This record gives sequence, C-alpha cells and structure tokens, in this order.
Amino acid sequence: TQLLEQSPQFLSIQEGENLTVYCNSSSVFSSLQWYRQEPGEGPVLLVTVVTGGEVKKLKRLTFQFGDARKDSSLHITAAQPGDTGLYLCAGVSFRAQKLVFGQGTRLTINP
Amino acid sequence: NAGVTQTPKFQVLKTGQSMTLQCAQDMNHEYMSWYRQDPGMGLRLIHYSVGAGITDQGEVPNGYNVSRSTTEDFPLRLLSAAPSQTSVYFCASSYGAASGYTFGSGTRLTVV
Repeated sequence: TQLLEQSPQFLSIQEGENLTVYCNSSSVFSSLQWYRQEPGEGPVLLVTVVTGGEVKKLKRLTFQFGDARKDSSLHITAAQPGDTGLYLCAGVSFRAQKLVFGQGTRLTINP
Repeated sequence: NAGVTQTPKFQVLKTGQSMTLQCAQDMNHEYMSWYRQDPGMGLRLIHYSVGAGITDQGEVPNGYNVSRSTTEDFPLRLLSAAPSQTSVYFCASSYGAASGYTFGSGTRLTVV
C-alpha cells in the first residue's frame, strides 16, 4: 500500500505570510498531483509533476517534485484569504495506474 | 461541456438496502475512479477502471461493486448498505492516471 503523508494537517496563518505544505512517501511515483477542494465541491486539479526535481509555478504557488520522486511540496507566497481550502496531494505509481491521495492540509488564511 | 456528472447528489438509505450511484463523463476519458471522503480524511480509492470492460480494486473495495460497460459510464453499487458507508462519494475521470483527474460534485450518502 502506498502511503502519502501530508504535513501539516491544519495550518492557519495571516494574510501576506508565506507557507509550505509537504507530501512525503516511501514509495516512488510516476506522477504527483496537487488538488484544491472547496466545501461541498469535488477536488480541482492545480498541477501535475512528472519529472524528478521538476518545479512548476502557478502565480503565487510553487510546486516541486523531489529528485527521488517520493515527495513533493507546495509553497504559497504572500497568502491571500482566497487561498483558503483543503489542499490534497495524490500520486500515481509506476506499477498500478491508480491515483491515491494523502489526507490533506486544511489551510485557513485570516484577513 | 458537462464534465463528470454524479447522481443523486444526496441519498439516505436504511441499513441493508442496496443502491447504485451513477457517474457519467462526456470527455471520452479512458480512466475513471470512485473515491469516498470521510470527515477529516483525504480521499480513499474504492474502485477504478482503465477502460471499458476493465476494473480493479482500490484501497477500500469491500461492500462495493463496479462495472464499466461503456467508456462514458461507471456506476458504483452498494450491495447491502451499512452505517460505515456513510460518506461523500466522488467519481473522477482522466485521459490517463498521470494526466490529472476531473471530479464530479459528489454524492452525500447517509446510511441509518
């Protein structure tokens, strides 16, 4: 069983601060994906990273895939209240073409 | 473009009843998956399919059946509902597992 551990599970910070969310595993993944989920809705894909060491930027969000393809991080610069939500990382193994999720990080940005 | 459509949005079942959660996508995606999400937890994979006629078990398959007779549809059947199956269920589809999934809006199921 592939386990994806996200940390922290809860994070509450003030508007304008920076933050990093981590996604770690002992398994190697062909792809790691980050989703954001609002209350009452399904997750929405933010980014997919497929190459070890890959860095992708989406406005104030920076995503990194570890060199060993076992971990990833999401860094938000100058957080805004609109960034509030549940952030989920998910991975695809090389052997089985299924997507498994971490437990999520609930982020609250206070004005 | 409807994307992924799940029905019903809400359902209350009595223990022991059976029902089918419907999922349809109009994007010609080969990959489809069912997840459940419980309070304070991420999404757990129930069953998935990599194409019509092909299904496989995920992390928590017990008590659920699936079939994939067409590319568009991937229904999830609860054989004999139990209170432990109270959850929010999400269906998702993708061109390929590494491509990123499109999710439906979910079905909130309560078993009493």
